[in-house]
Amino acid sequence: GAVVSQHPSWVICKSGTSVKIECRSLDFQATTMFWYRQFPKQSLMLMATSNEGSKATYEQGVEKDKFLINHASLTLSTLTVTSAHPEDSSFYICSASTPLAGDYNEQFFGPGTRLTVL
Amino acid sequence: GQNIDQPTEMTATEGAIVQINCTYQTSGFNGLFWYQQHAGEAPTFLSYNVLDGLEEKGRFSSFLSRSKGYSYLLLKELQMKDSASYLCAVSDSNYQLIWGAGTKLIIKP
Repeated sequence: GAVVSQHPSWVICKSGTSVKIECRSLDFQATTMFWYRQFPKQSLMLMATSNEGSKATYEQGVEKDKFLINHASLTLSTLTVTSAHPEDSSFYICSASTPLAGDYNEQFFGPGTRLTVL
Repeated sequence: GQNIDQPTEMTATEGAIVQINCTYQTSGFNGLFWYQQHAGEAPTFLSYNVLDGLEEKGRFSSFLSRSKGYSYLLLKELQMKDSASYLCAVSDSNYQLIWGAGTKLIIKP
């Protein structure tokens, strides 16, 4: 159980275009979804936290107008990178959280999306 | 500020034991997670500690001392497939995960 999928797994796009990444919790309802970015040889950097039906909370330094997050349902969140530039090339990972027995919110990670902007 | 420290890289021999340390300073504490991440893949959950002591799960064990702000992940009977990055993350007072930079573990035959 607790499977999270991401689509696409990789994408190459031209500079200036927009890219949408989907994150789905397949067998559970996620109260919260998280979007991370990871550059090579670096740790995960939280970009934003989103709860279904409400606006996402962005981390300091993350442009909310550039990285649009829509959490339309308890099983789907999307991240749209608008007007992508080469510096946006990175590994984007989503995770979904749900309260589990034991009172901790484990995060279940999607497989990630590798974005390359030419 | 909030801070998680773990070694950048460690090397160990197949069949041996390795201990990866993690120290933390966070605003509040609601548990500490260890995740394994192979290159180019997403992290996978290994363990969760919220009380002091040792949690054993097969070849992997995780230890926590809240008073010292310290945890370690112990890997026994190392296998080549254990070569990966190991991420320490602390859940703070808002249940937000604060991530360490990860420890790259290299296993040699």
